[in-house]
Amino acid sequence: DTAVSQTPKYLVTQMGNDKSIKCEQNLGHDTMYWYKQDSKKFLKIMFSYNNKELIINETVPNRFSPKSPDKAHLNLHINSLELGDSAVYFCASSPRTETRGGGYTFGSGTRLTVV
Amino acid sequence: EDQVTQSPEALRLQEGESSSLNCSYTVSGLRGLFWYRQDPGKGPEFLFTLYSAGEEKEKERLKATLTKKESFLHITAPKPEDSATYLCAVEWGGNEKLTFGTGTRLTIIP
Repeated sequence: DTAVSQTPKYLVTQMGNDKSIKCEQNLGHDTMYWYKQDSKKFLKIMFSYNNKELIINETVPNRFSPKSPDKAHLNLHINSLELGDSAVYFCASSPRTETRGGGYTFGSGTRLTVV
Repeated sequence: EDQVTQSPEALRLQEGESSSLNCSYTVSGLRGLFWYRQDPGKGPEFLFTLYSAGEEKEKERLKATLTKKESFLHITAPKPEDSATYLCAVEWGGNEKLTFGTGTRLTIIP
């Protein structure tokens, strides 16, 4: 039973296209995140949502628009894709602060390649 | 300004050769320091959370320790299956997010 699942796993698309990545968690966590991992393997937060409310928006271009229809889902839509958007995108979730001893749980990633 | 720095960037060890990975941080108001393992093509896998200086946690061949400025991940008698990238991250201040270091790529040679 996958805890945090993302689809698709791979995405190859042309510059200028619009694409979406979906994420679902079955852990009952309150907060969900999108992280971007660049070619040097550095992970950086993009957005976080708590119970469908946007909490963190880390100076990400407004071509990126997250949407959280409910507490268990967080999707990422990207408009007008650029070459520099090529990266691995990870969805993650975490419980309330006081129960975070088990860490944040990450999905297996979506490798986006823009050609 | 780097807030989380990991060293070394890469480490190659013979099987059974113990060593330590370092994670130093410069944030204020540390709420938690997290260690993750990441295998190629997979997401980070949670290992430990440390909250205060002096705290230690162990899991199989791994032991994590924390001081006021850094954390160490000690690997005792490693096996080839311990080969992975080890990531350190901190949660600090009023931020409910993880700030990651750049990782240490560990290779254990049989």
